[in-house]
Amino acid sequence: EPEVTQTPSHQVTQMGQEVILRCVPISNHLYFYWYRQILGQKVEFLVSFYNNEISEKSEIFDDQFSVERPDGSNFTLKIRSTKLEDSAMYFCASSESQETQYFGPGTRLLVL
Amino acid sequence: KQEVTQIPAALSVPEGENLVLNCSFTDSAIYNLQWFRQDPGKGLTSLLLIQSSQREQTSGRLNASLDKSSGRSTLYIAASQPGDSATYLCAVRTASGGSYIPTFGRGTSLIVHP
Repeated sequence: EPEVTQTPSHQVTQMGQEVILRCVPISNHLYFYWYRQILGQKVEFLVSFYNNEISEKSEIFDDQFSVERPDGSNFTLKIRSTKLEDSAMYFCASSESQETQYFGPGTRLLVL
Repeated sequence: KQEVTQIPAALSVPEGENLVLNCSFTDSAIYNLQWFRQDPGKGLTSLLLIQSSQREQTSGRLNASLDKSSGRSTLYIAASQPGDSATYLCAVRTASGGSYIPTFGRGTSLIVHP
């Protein structure tokens, strides 16, 4: 069964560094999403991406964040100048339409 | 702003019991509602999606209902098994001003013991 994959599974970085989180959505899906979940907190929507552009973003998704689909398979989330409070689990998801979303296993980011 | 609440926060039951997990939301102008399960340290697995025009969806031992007017959804798990132990999340997509941003609840942490 097709699934969403994410790399790396864990990332440790120093405050102020840039990180890139990678996702490979399900191949025939057209909508892509990033979410984050701070330890013990709710899952929070960051951004949705369709037709090579951002379709929606939350208040969390400020200028520190960017997304890109550099080729036909990868979908990346870049965090510039990471802060301690960026430590969280980051989930990528994809969907064929604006219906059922399929989530990847997540990348656990720790900013020191 | 949509707010989603899930009750109870935690539940521990013996195997075989039938369970009801509750999800309530404040804005009834929803597009759809999706139930997920999340295993510790893992991603989310979609269980059921209910469109705003639907009243319920069923998959195996799971049944989800939706009552938009009262702002509630319930997830019914029949004949619970230890493998059902996980956190159950509901996510509501609100149809507001062309925005479909999903809002998640905190989840119900379920333990089914043998």
